[in-house]
Amino acid sequence: EVVMTQSPASLSVSPGGRATLSCRAGQSVGTNLAWYQQKPGQAPRLLIYDASTRATGMPARFRGSGSGTEFTLTISSLHSEDSAVYYCQQYDHWLSFGQGTKLEIK
Amino acid sequence: EVQLVESGGGLVQPGGSLRLSCAASGFSFTNYSMNWVRQAPGKGLEWISYTTSWSKTIYYADSVKGRFIISRDNARNSLYLQMNSLRAEDTAMYYCARDRGSDWYFDLWGRGTLVTVSS
Repeated sequence: EVVMTQSPASLSVSPGGRATLSCRAGQSVGTNLAWYQQKPGQAPRLLIYDASTRATGMPARFRGSGSGTEFTLTISSLHSEDSAVYYCQQYDHWLSFGQGTKLEIK
Repeated sequence: EVQLVESGGGLVQPGGSLRLSCAASGFSFTNYSMNWVRQAPGKGLEWISYTTSWSKTIYYADSVKGRFIISRDNARNSLYLQMNSLRAEDTAMYYCARDRGSDWYFDLWGRGTLVTVSS
């Protein structure tokens, strides 16, 4: 299994600011990486796939980057509704999720 | 509307069984592979099972292999998960999720159904 490690575990950012979330793979996964957003009490929602392609309807404020073992999700112009847990998931070797990063906007 | 709606969760005793259903609508069900993903309370996401569009290929996570059975009825646009020999550690929200086929990420999720295994 490819272990996915996300950092930080949690962060707090002010509205209008920028958040940078990291995801590291235990071995290279190329660009076979997705990001999901899960708001409290809701199902996860696909944000990014293929490391940098935004899913349908996702605003340009959400940007994915990286390849190999190091990936980043950058969220700019933060809104209160961006408060959520963000998960990365690789799909290069079977599939596995990171443990999540909790983002708080306040 | 494109959606997945799960049902069938509830409280069950250890060693018991439960059958979850997922009703798909708004898209061509037979064009997609489907999955079950679960999330224990306060924990992260765990993929548990996968089936191709016509059930030709099926996979399970080791944690449920031999106890859970995934199936689908394309005529009814429905996905199922038969869960047997349930354990306390199976307590979780269970989501059905559609994947892209060529790549194993999930572009559509249901809202989930909660399974609680407790005496």
